[in-house]
Amino acid sequence: AQKVTQAQTEISVVEKEDVTLDCVYETRDTTYYLFWYKQPPSGELVFLIRRNSFDEQNEISGRYSWNFQKSTSSFNFTITASQVVDSAVYFCALSGMNTGNQFYFGTGTSLTVIP
Amino acid sequence: EPEVTQTPSHQVTQMGQEVILRCVPISNHLYFYWYRQILGQKVEFLVSFYNNEISEKSEIFDDQFSVERPDGSNFTLKIRSTKLEDSAMYFCASNRQGAAGANVLTFGAGSRLTVL
Repeated sequence: AQKVTQAQTEISVVEKEDVTLDCVYETRDTTYYLFWYKQPPSGELVFLIRRNSFDEQNEISGRYSWNFQKSTSSFNFTITASQVVDSAVYFCALSGMNTGNQFYFGTGTSLTVIP
Repeated sequence: EPEVTQTPSHQVTQMGQEVILRCVPISNHLYFYWYRQILGQKVEFLVSFYNNEISEKSEIFDDQFSVERPDGSNFTLKIRSTKLEDSAMYFCASNRQGAAGANVLTFGAGSRLTVL
């Protein structure tokens, strides 16, 4: 079964603080892909990053960084020096080679950055 | 940057009425999807569509739902007889190859459906 768990439902931080959003996944596929999407208050889903199961290198993009650890089935997302514009719901998602075209989303983490 | 466009952005309808949600996927994409997000909940897969037919559907996608690509650009989701529990944000998405996860899904801005 494919499953994504985002245990943090809501997080509030003060601007400029760092924040880490957790994502734990389950899959039987040996080849799979992990994603993070951002959903700002306007409602659209914005792609942030994709990582495949063979690439455990961590990635940094500006203030964003991702830590993928297969050993713990986790794909955590850190925002450094958070800004008010980072306030949104963040979804982690999984797609496996044997699950066709479906993306499996977590329940999302609502991040509020307080000025 | 190419985008997926959806109309209407918000529709209010009475229970039992038919609703059609429209989507224009990115022009060189071949795989099309509908996802649903009930308010405050996670995004759920409804259906995928390729080569003018449904390739996969979830258990949510029952006989009340249908999809169609009536011309070369539009991709529609029809709900025949809406129920209160159909109230949700409906997202259209597309990607180029569809091979499980290899390609990023590009989502539209969503169509919010409210059933009264």
